[in-house]
Amino acid sequence: DVKVTQSSRYLVKRTGEKVFLECVQDMDHENMFWYRQDPGLGLRLIYFSYDVKMKEKGDIPEGYSVSREKKERFSLILESASTNQTSMYLCASSLFPGVDSYNEQFFGPGTRLTVL
Amino acid sequence: AQTVTQSQPEMSVQEAETVTLSCTYDTSESDYYLFWYKQPPSRQMILVIRQEAYKQQNATENRFSVNFQKAAKSFSLKISDSQLGDAAMYFCAYRSYNTDKLIFGTGTRLQVFP
Repeated sequence: DVKVTQSSRYLVKRTGEKVFLECVQDMDHENMFWYRQDPGLGLRLIYFSYDVKMKEKGDIPEGYSVSREKKERFSLILESASTNQTSMYLCASSLFPGVDSYNEQFFGPGTRLTVL
Repeated sequence: AQTVTQSQPEMSVQEAETVTLSCTYDTSESDYYLFWYKQPPSRQMILVIRQEAYKQQNATENRFSVNFQKAAKSFSLKISDSQLGDAAMYFCAYRSYNTDKLIFGTGTRLQVFP
């Protein structure tokens, strides 16, 4: 089974702090994604990566950056956390297209971040 | 740009009954994929069912089935013989044929009553 893990289930940070959210997958997936989940808004894509050191902006990249130094690990960075970044953050991974036409995304358990 | 709409923020069903969650989408593409994901309380999101647009036959996975109406751009999820474990947030998602990115709806919270 694919396993996607996230470093923390709950995190509380202060405004202005630099925050790192870590995601690790163990199935050698090429694609990795960071989403933000808010009530009434569904999941919105922040960034995704299709290879090591490769990244592409999603729909809401402002205030975030990412790092992918190794294939299995994808980090989301909040350079200076703000209260409007309080949210649930979900990581996901998927195979490179062509292996599975549906290219199902597998999700981690989520990190609920509170910025005070 | 593609959009996905789930017009039912909350739904409820009695155990053993059938419930249908609605999803509509907007696209100008002819080839794409559609998904229903389930997010149980405090648990990981998992794929429930998937459909490829060019396949006319509706997908079925045990008690879960879809009603895919391509012309109407509708992709509803039917849950038969509802169980307490079906209680969750359900998200409809769209993926274009030539991208890996998913576009999600806003979700429907399903409650199941004994």
